[in-house]
Formats: sequence, C-alpha cells, structure tokens
Amino acid sequence: IAGITQAPTSQILAAGRRMTLRCTQDMRHNAMYWYRQDLGLGLRLIHYSNTAGTTGKGEVPDGYSVSRANTDDFPLTLASAVPSQTSVYFCASSLAIGSDEQFFGPGTRLTVL
Amino acid sequence: GQNIDQPTEMTATEGAIVQINCTYQTSGFNGLFWYQQHAGEAPTFLSYNVLDGLEEKGRFSSFLSRSKGYSYLLLKELQMKDSASYLCAVRDSNYQLIWGAGTKLIIKP
Repeated sequence: IAGITQAPTSQILAAGRRMTLRCTQDMRHNAMYWYRQDLGLGLRLIHYSNTAGTTGKGEVPDGYSVSRANTDDFPLTLASAVPSQTSVYFCASSLAIGSDEQFFGPGTRLTVL
Repeated sequence: GQNIDQPTEMTATEGAIVQINCTYQTSGFNGLFWYQQHAGEAPTFLSYNVLDGLEEKGRFSSFLSRSKGYSYLLLKELQMKDSASYLCAVRDSNYQLIWGAGTKLIIKP
C-alpha cells in the first residue's frame, strides 16, 4: 500500500441495504476524514477521527457511522442506504487534525437505487 | 452560516495567466487551502496560507487577505494539464475544512 486506499471503487446499491466503505492508510497519520462530494457542492465532512479510538461528527453525519479501531483503518457504514446518499465518497488523512495538508484516497462512487 | 464563494467556471489560453478568486465567511479562521482536482480523481494539495500575503510555489501562487475574507490562486504559464477544478477551503475554529464548490478551469490552445 502506498498512501491511502479505498474500496470498492464503485458500487450500485439497493435502497435499504447496509454498506461499508473501506479506507486504509499506511502513512501512520493520526487524523482521518470522510467526505462526500456532490455536483455543484463543495466537499462536505461526514465524520472524522483525531486519533485511533476517537471519532467525531462533521457537517452531514446523519445516516452514517464510523469506527477507528486502529491507526490505519477508518471504515464508513451506511446502515440503511437511501437514494440521497448517492455520491462520491472520499477518505482523507493528515498527520494531525491541524496539519497543513490532507491526503485523499481515490474515492468510491456510490449509487443508491 | 459558513460560506465559501468561488466562480463556477473559467476559461483561459495556454501560456497565459489566470487568477481564481475565493471569498469566505466562516466561524473562525485557521488557514486557507487550495486543492487541484482533475475530473474523476481525488483532490491534491496545492497551497496553504495562514498569514496575509503571497505564497509562491513554482507556477502557482496563492494570496490571502484575512481582513477582507479573500484569497486568490494565480496560475502562470498555463499548460493543458492545468485543466482541472480548483477547490478553495477554509479551516474553521473547530479545525474542520469548509469547502467551496470549486472552479472548473478550461484551458484552450
């Protein structure tokens, strides 16, 4: 692994189904983030984690949950997907919450029908 | 509320100079960022300003005026590969990034 990876690359999901988006980084970064990006809107923060074992809510957390069991992994779960969750999801990481630069994964394109 | 404004789209000619503006209103300020995002790809970091003034990095420069809530990204000697969206983001008092919708820059030969 080099940097930050996400899986799957894309997914089509039926409404009501549960889905976990995976994110892994090998940079030993303490802070990790989940964003969604929708056409015409800026990136919006869903959840974040300052360090392993802690998580926090961002701007649009409803319908999503996260966990941070270790430094490397930060999965995002949609408990019961709805069409409004159709979006491109980016995971990002930074050395710390106040670091200059966030590094982004390649994204997951999710379609909920 | 918090707001980041930047033009939706701009067009420029290869070899020319273009300035992309960003104005912001946020709860607190802990730095302003510019990212580049090619279509279908992830954003990549370009610059960071926390103090007023100009930061130069090769062909790219970024300017900040905190009193005016204003920044710009200046791209010189434009190349076709500079065709991308440019995202302005402000880190607020909670150390969360608030993002603009991005400016799509189209470079013509």
